Amino acid sequence: DIVLTQSPDSLAVSLGERATINCKSSQTILYSSNNKNCLAWYQQKPGQPPKLLTYWASTRESGVPDRFSGSGSGTDFTLTISSLQAEDVAVYYCQQYYGTPTFGQGTKVEI
Amino acid sequence: EVQLVESGGGLVQPGGSLRLSCAASGFTFSNYNMNWVRQAPGKGLEWISYISNSGNTIYYADSVKGRFTISKDSAKNSLYLRMNSLRAEDTAVYYCARDRCSGSSCYYDYWGQGTLVTVSS
Repeated sequence: DIVLTQSPDSLAVSLGERATINCKSSQTILYSSNNKNCLAWYQQKPGQPPKLLTYWASTRESGVPDRFSGSGSGTDFTLTISSLQAEDVAVYYCQQYYGTPTFGQGTKVEI
Repeated sequence: EVQLVESGGGLVQPGGSLRLSCAASGFTFSNYNMNWVRQAPGKGLEWISYISNSGNTIYYADSVKGRFTISKDSAKNSLYLRMNSLRAEDTAVYYCARDRCSGSSCYYDYWGQGTLVTVSS
């Protein structure tokens, strides 16, 4: 199976500052049919299910604030929160869907 | 509004069985592939099973293969997970999740609130 390794495991960011979460894949996850990377990001708040933020590495889901952006290609991907808000405190997971679906271990974002 | 509501969780002894259900509404259930994803207490997410919209294609994670069975009833807009030979390590919140893609499995755009399964004597 493809292993996704997120870094850091946790980070504390001041309100209004940038938060950057990394996700490294053990192999390339580029889907040749559309030349897009098979990577999604989710946000999970305590006691809630995950919420889809981005997919195909950089496509933002409808209704997701534009302060959330995904980037990267090949084996290295990033989720950036450009200006952290209080409601962004959560655990963030990357997921690959190139092979058998797997998730990163999660990154906890705090103020 | 898309809704997924899981039920059927509870406390079960090691070696026991449970059947989880996921009631879907707000979309044409028969058009979508569906998944089960679980989360052990305080841990990360683990995909465990996929079923195509037709029900003809099914996949399992190695951790549950041979013990769990996924199924669906489009007439009832319901997804199921039959869990046999349960182990302590199966203790988790189980989520049903809708697959956005129409072909092979991809990412999950809607999730239920989850149902807790506890395997303990």
